[in-house]
Amino acid sequence: KAGVTQTPRYLIKTRGQQVTLSCSPISGHRSVSWYQQTPGQGLQFLFEYFSETQRNKGNFPGRFSGRQFSNSRSEMNVSTLELGDSALYLCASSLNPAKEAFFGQGTRLTVV
Amino acid sequence: GENVEQHPSTLSVQEGDSAVIKCTYSDSASNYFPWYKQELGKGPQLIIDIRSNVGEKKDQRIAVTLNKTAKHFSLHITETQPEDSAVYFCAAWGDTDKLIFGTGTRLQVFP
Repeated sequence: KAGVTQTPRYLIKTRGQQVTLSCSPISGHRSVSWYQQTPGQGLQFLFEYFSETQRNKGNFPGRFSGRQFSNSRSEMNVSTLELGDSALYLCASSLNPAKEAFFGQGTRLTVV
Repeated sequence: GENVEQHPSTLSVQEGDSAVIKCTYSDSASNYFPWYKQELGKGPQLIIDIRSNVGEKKDQRIAVTLNKTAKHFSLHITETQPEDSAVYFCAAWGDTDKLIFGTGTRLQVFP
């Protein structure tokens, strides 16, 4: 059974640009959550999607957005990138909310 | 808001010794407590979890204990091996309807 797949693995962007990250959950999983991981702040919850609907959101500015498609694949978008957005972005999938969550390898975003 | 505190931040043990990592949560409604292991360059890997209706769960060399009254839970690794070296995160799922993570423990196992 394939795990959670995140693409791309690495990204370098310039301040002010926007970026889209992709996450393909484990087959059959309908819930996808996104996290930002930085050395200083640890793992911070961004948002969760379930059945194409955002069901929960963390305390991030509106520049961070996401969506989920009918096949459960999810994308997150960050607009007007800032240096502080440099982080490892992790996606986790679960069968349903509050069930075991399995993480992908992450996308390492560097903003220069 | 909901908070999870994790201690210690770093832990060094000799191969074969035991390691214990402790977490405390603030939301008394929390009912699901997973533990993750993250190796360098990889995403967190779920290694064990426990729900609030159970006090202890074991899986080979790994065990988790939960004390709901005191609102704390612990990860116990016995007979540590060098490949256990990683960063370990605890988490809790409660009324906020999302996983809240601890700040992580860097475990180093010396041969």
